Amino acid sequence: DAGVIQSPRHEVTEMGQEVTLRCKPISGHNSLFWYRQTMMRGLELLIYFNNNVPIDDSGMPEDRFSAKMPNASFSTLKIQPSEPRDSAVYFCASSPRDTDNEQFFGPGTRLTVL
Amino acid sequence: GENVEQHPSTLSVQEGDSAVIKCTYSDSASNYFPWYKQELGKGPQLIIDIRSNVGEKKDQRIAVTLNKTAKHFSLHITETQPEDSAVYFCAASEGPGGSYIPTFGRGTSLIVHP
Repeated sequence: DAGVIQSPRHEVTEMGQEVTLRCKPISGHNSLFWYRQTMMRGLELLIYFNNNVPIDDSGMPEDRFSAKMPNASFSTLKIQPSEPRDSAVYFCASSPRDTDNEQFFGPGTRLTVL
Repeated sequence: GENVEQHPSTLSVQEGDSAVIKCTYSDSASNYFPWYKQELGKGPQLIIDIRSNVGEKKDQRIAVTLNKTAKHFSLHITETQPEDSAVYFCAASEGPGGSYIPTFGRGTSLIVHP
């Protein structure tokens, strides 16, 4: 398996633009997580899905953030409109919930909002 | 909710020395404690984990100890090598049957000087 796949790896955009981050979890994993990593706040959980259903989105900072998981092999995190303070590295991770707690992280998307 | 404190935030050692990173947690229901290693430009990767029914676990040069009474656990790396240089995160969660969502520490930047 190729592991968790994220795209794009780098994104530079201007304030006010819409940004869409994409994730393909490991096949067979039931849970998917979106994290944001910054120097100031560390690794923050934004939202997680179980069997494609959003379970907890309490970490989503504002209504400008939304996430979807239309099927077991694809998820998106959208920011609209983007702001400079959204600049961070966004990670997607998946986990085989029924076995253990290990999370498998993707390589991340480095977002810069100018 | 769970709160995980991690110390130190940075650790600098000479090659061949040992390195110890410590974490404390607040929720006595937590029973799964993973450690992740994040290399530059990559996502965190699980390197070792321990469950609450075990006091110590070793895997070659790395070991983790757990003291449930005191609610703290530690990562020990012996005979450090330059390739051990990375950011290390501890985490705590309730594991299967409970909330398996991990709470992460803020991370320790380990630098191993050749």
